[in-house]
Amino acid sequence: DMKVTQMPRYLIKRMGENVLLECGQDMSHETMYWYRQDPGLGLQLIYISYDVDSNSEGDIPKGYRVSRKKREHFSLILDSAKTNQTSVYFCASSLWGGRAEVFFGKGTRLTVV
Amino acid sequence: GDSVTQTEGQVTVSESKSLIINCTYSATSIGYPNLFWYVRYPGEGLQLLLKVITAGQKGSSRGFEATYNKEATSFHLQKASVQESDSAVYYCALSEGDSNYQLIWGSGTKLIIKP
Repeated sequence: DMKVTQMPRYLIKRMGENVLLECGQDMSHETMYWYRQDPGLGLQLIYISYDVDSNSEGDIPKGYRVSRKKREHFSLILDSAKTNQTSVYFCASSLWGGRAEVFFGKGTRLTVV
Repeated sequence: GDSVTQTEGQVTVSESKSLIINCTYSATSIGYPNLFWYVRYPGEGLQLLLKVITAGQKGSSRGFEATYNKEATSFHLQKASVQESDSAVYYCALSEGDSNYQLIWGSGTKLIIKP
């Protein structure tokens, strides 16, 4: 079953708390992504990971960091969450290459109060 | 930089009528980007609907079609007869070549089907 799983699906945190978003995939894809989406906007790339411990910044990495210690697992960490990080976060994975189909999780709705 | 524009945030179509969702793009780094339509059904993750990587070609899936028009820099999504099950949010996206993984996304178009 080809699946990208995100946990948790919904999360409420206070400003200044640390946040951990977890993502797993069962397709052995080398490449994994974290995106965020705000109302009326397209998806914005936060980080991309080309494989274990091979991560690169996307368009909006400030305030985020990532960890990939196993190929099937990719974490997004917010150290000291801010209210402007309230958003829906999507994890995704794909095979190598810009033409490959990207598989997405269902998203995590994070609210920072 | 590259960009993808979807002008309609929401489109309402009566069941069994035809649909067109507009998408135009700007790819400044490469003249021949790869073009995609992704769809998000309610409660589901984004999934690929169709892709076209060659200018002039048409992609099709689930009754939807899109033609890669390099001259007009467009990739409009069309369907001859929509069904209630087509209700979803549709996203147009592009990537450059085969070595650049980053997808550039449009803002999405929500399709509402009237019974």
